[in-house]
Amino acid sequence: QVQLQESGPGLVSPSGTLSLTCAVSGGAISSRDWWNWVRQPPGRGLEWIGEIYHSGSTNYNPSLKSRVTMSVDKSKNQFSLKLSSVTAADTAVYYCARIYCPDGVCSPYYFDYWGQGTLVTVSS
Amino acid sequence: QSALTQPASVSGSPGQSISISCTGTTSDVGGYNYVSWYQQHPGKAPKLMIYGVSNRPSGVSNRFSGSKSGNTASLTISGLQAEDEADYYCSSYTGSSTYVFGTGTKVTVL
Repeated sequence: QVQLQESGPGLVSPSGTLSLTCAVSGGAISSRDWWNWVRQPPGRGLEWIGEIYHSGSTNYNPSLKSRVTMSVDKSKNQFSLKLSSVTAADTAVYYCARIYCPDGVCSPYYFDYWGQGTLVTVSS
Repeated sequence: QSALTQPASVSGSPGQSISISCTGTTSDVGGYNYVSWYQQHPGKAPKLMIYGVSNRPSGVSNRFSGSKSGNTASLTISGLQAEDEADYYCSSYTGSSTYVFGTGTKVTVL
């Protein structure tokens, strides 16, 4: 049973950088799965931010690509998100989630495990 | 990429069946059988309910079913129960190695 746990500052200043980490337990981050970030502004819908493979390969949402950086720390079995130049519009609950890829085949592409989410507020 | 279009709300009485639509384009919903559905109760993380258009994960009630026609996917909940009251989101993989979610639908059990 894979478990994901987000952590990081709950308050970030405008124009600053949001930094979050997702710790993976019950499974290896070096598996053939892809590791994702999804966010949800208060009272609104889900937005996919991007994903990372254990090799460091990434795919990002085009609307956020210029501000997003993801990384993997295999020694700690965790992956991270950095979002720069944040504004109030980046206030949201941030979730980490897994795209399951048994034997390296991700089809039909679904998020099977999610973290509990962490609220990040952008405010001075 | 634009969010997939879902109705803002759907309601039904206990025991009834309801359907939630999820409309996209040929670049996402219509182009691939990669639609998944998620249930989200207030303050909780989303939970996978349907994957690959119509497949149910182990442990999900068979009252939940999925289908697709053209650029529109649908989630049907039969025998509606009070515990089904939640927000529901569809999602699709796109041809650009990205994912897109639906706008979300609030299901109310009357």
